[in-house]
Amino acid sequence: DTAVSQTPKYLVTQMGNDKSIKCEQNLGHDTMYWYKQDSKKFLKIMFSYNNKELIINETVPNRFSPKSPDKAHLNLHINSLELGDSAVYFCASSQAGVTNYGYTFGSGTRLTVV
Amino acid sequence: AQSVSQHNHHVILSEAASLELGCNYSYGGTVNLFWYVQYPGQHLQLLLKYFSGDPLVKGIKGFEAEFIKSKFSFNLRKPSVQWSDTAEYFCAVLNNAGNMLTFGGGTRLMVKP
Repeated sequence: DTAVSQTPKYLVTQMGNDKSIKCEQNLGHDTMYWYKQDSKKFLKIMFSYNNKELIINETVPNRFSPKSPDKAHLNLHINSLELGDSAVYFCASSQAGVTNYGYTFGSGTRLTVV
Repeated sequence: AQSVSQHNHHVILSEAASLELGCNYSYGGTVNLFWYVQYPGQHLQLLLKYFSGDPLVKGIKGFEAEFIKSKFSFNLRKPSVQWSDTAEYFCAVLNNAGNMLTFGGGTRLMVKP
């Protein structure tokens, strides 16, 4: 059983399109995250949701809109895709207040904008 | 704001060599420190973690790390690397609330057979 699963694994799309990436976790965690890993492998947090509520929104263009229908899902919708959005996007989950286990990461979605 | 610095961006070693990757953090609260590994084309996997107690922590695959509070460091070590250790290694610090895991820039390790 995959603990944190993301779909799709690869996404190639043209500039200007709108796309979504889905994430689901079966760990019973109450907090989920989106991270962006750029071409230099730098990992930066984008969003954090706790029990479906947005708690962290780093400096991310408003073309990126996360949606959490329930605490097991956190989807990322991106409007008007730009070349600079090309990256690997990782979903992660954790249990709030439990700091000694770190986060569990999904396998990533490689987004290529052409 | 918390931050993590990894000074070695690229490390190339021969098999059986010893490894030490540097990690320095900046955070005013109680630290929770982690090392993650990312094998080529794969997701992040937890190598080891420190949150309290013995500052020398042992992780999977023969890795260990030492938390030195006075130096704000959490360096990763392995006495003898293998070709299969070729990967990207990330140090990270988690805040007290557990809702902000901040990564260093990563160190790319290449082990030559």
